[in-house]
Amino acid sequence: DAGVTQSPTHLIKTRGQHVTLRCSPISGHKSVSWYQQVLGQGPQFIFQYYEKEERGRGNFPDRFSARQFPNYSSELNVNALLLGDSALYLCASSLAGTAYSNQPQHFGDGTRLSIL
Amino acid sequence: AQSVSQHNHHVILSEAASLELGCNYSYGGTVNLFWYVQYPGQHLQLLLKYFSGDPLVKGIKGFEAEFIKSKFSFNLRKPSVQWSDTAEYFCAVIRGGSYIPTFGRGTSLIVHP
Repeated sequence: DAGVTQSPTHLIKTRGQHVTLRCSPISGHKSVSWYQQVLGQGPQFIFQYYEKEERGRGNFPDRFSARQFPNYSSELNVNALLLGDSALYLCASSLAGTAYSNQPQHFGDGTRLSIL
Repeated sequence: AQSVSQHNHHVILSEAASLELGCNYSYGGTVNLFWYVQYPGQHLQLLLKYFSGDPLVKGIKGFEAEFIKSKFSFNLRKPSVQWSDTAEYFCAVIRGGSYIPTFGRGTSLIVHP
C-alpha cells in the first residue's frame, strides 16, 4: 500500500513568491495535518483538516492557508514567502478526526522548501 | 504556552548500552503523550503513545516510556540499544481536548557498533 505522498520533494523559491505544496493521504484516511520543521527543531503544527473542514490551526500567520479536497488530498499554500519559511513541510494522515486519537498519524517524506 | 523539552540534543552510545531520553512538558492538565522516531532517510514513525491507564507504555522495537505525572515527564527507555536504533527521536504532547500537538526539538541518537 502506498504511504502518504507529498509533492514536490524539493522546491526553490524567492522572497515574495507564492508556493503550493500537495499531499495525498493513505487510502481511506480522512484526516490530513501539516507541519513545518525547521532545521534542528521538531515539527511545528500548522493545520489539521478532517472531512474537508479545518479542525485545528497552529500559530502561523494568515499567509499560510490550506484546503482538503473531496478525495481527501490536501494543499498547503504560502503567500509572500519570507526567508524564514525555508523548512521541511510535513504532511501526516490518519483515519480519525482528532489529530492524535488511537489511530496513529502516518507521515510523508516532506517537501524541502528553500527561499532565496 | 505549552512547551516540550527534550534535554539531550545529542546522545552517543555503544551497542548494548542502556538508553534513556528525557521529555518534560509544561502543561498541567490531561495530556496525550507520544514518542516518534525518524531513521536516516525515512519519515517520522510512531514508537509509542500514552493516553490513559498503565503509565508504563511499551512500543515497537523494545522501546518503552514511563509517564510520571508528578514530574510532567515521559522518558523513553531501552535496556540495550542496537546500531539500527541510530535515529532522531521526538517527544510530542497534546493536551486533552486539543487537536494541536507540540513537539520537542528532538534528540539525535548515534549508536556505535
